[in-house]
Amino acid sequence: DVQLVQTGTDVKKPGESLRISCKGFGYRFDMYWIAWVRQMPGKGLEWMGSIYPGDSDTRYSPSFQGQVTMSADESNTTAYLEWSSLKASDTAMYFCARHGPSPRPQLDNWGQGTLVTVSS
Amino acid sequence: SYVLTQAPSVSVAPGETARLSCGGHNIVSKSVHWYQQKPGQAPVVVISFDSDRPSGIPERFSGSNSGNTATLTISRVEAGDEADYFCQVWDRVTEHQEVIFGGGTKLTVL
Repeated sequence: DVQLVQTGTDVKKPGESLRISCKGFGYRFDMYWIAWVRQMPGKGLEWMGSIYPGDSDTRYSPSFQGQVTMSADESNTTAYLEWSSLKASDTAMYFCARHGPSPRPQLDNWGQGTLVTVSS
Repeated sequence: SYVLTQAPSVSVAPGETARLSCGGHNIVSKSVHWYQQKPGQAPVVVISFDSDRPSGIPERFSGSNSGNTATLTISRVEAGDEADYFCQVWDRVTEHQEVIFGGGTKLTVL
């Protein structure tokens, strides 16, 4: 079965850096795009961007370009989302999700989410 | 950029039919995906490509897309269907296609 397993809850202070991860199991990790999706408390879903682990081709939403960095380690079947200097407004649940195989696909498998809290 | 509009909330009695809409300019030209998110859980796709139902999703869930509105229909609603529902499409914003989500509809089962 396809599974995406994310790192657990993290609590950071403003200005600190953070990298969260999403490890894929049960499929060819290098052949499917991975999306990152933000959900702020009590709010909807926001696509942050996607990365193709096979060649690290990355597409960022204009809203998140320059705010985060996405990367992937094909050999460890893991995708990463990184901040260099967190803000309180980065407090949210972050999901990774796999793109389906078709053009303009659904996000067919989701990680359980990583809760990031940024507070002084 | 492309905007998807969903009603914030819909309420329906058990056994009735819930129709959740997702509005967008000429949305019929796009493939619409629908996700169900229960409290404290990750989203799950319930309808893909307008009307395809993934394995494991009950037949009570169906989808359609016409003109400027896509619709998720849940027949014979059960208490367990209470959740937030999000529609999603792809749209070209820069030189690449990007994921667009609707704001979500909270389905309450009375």
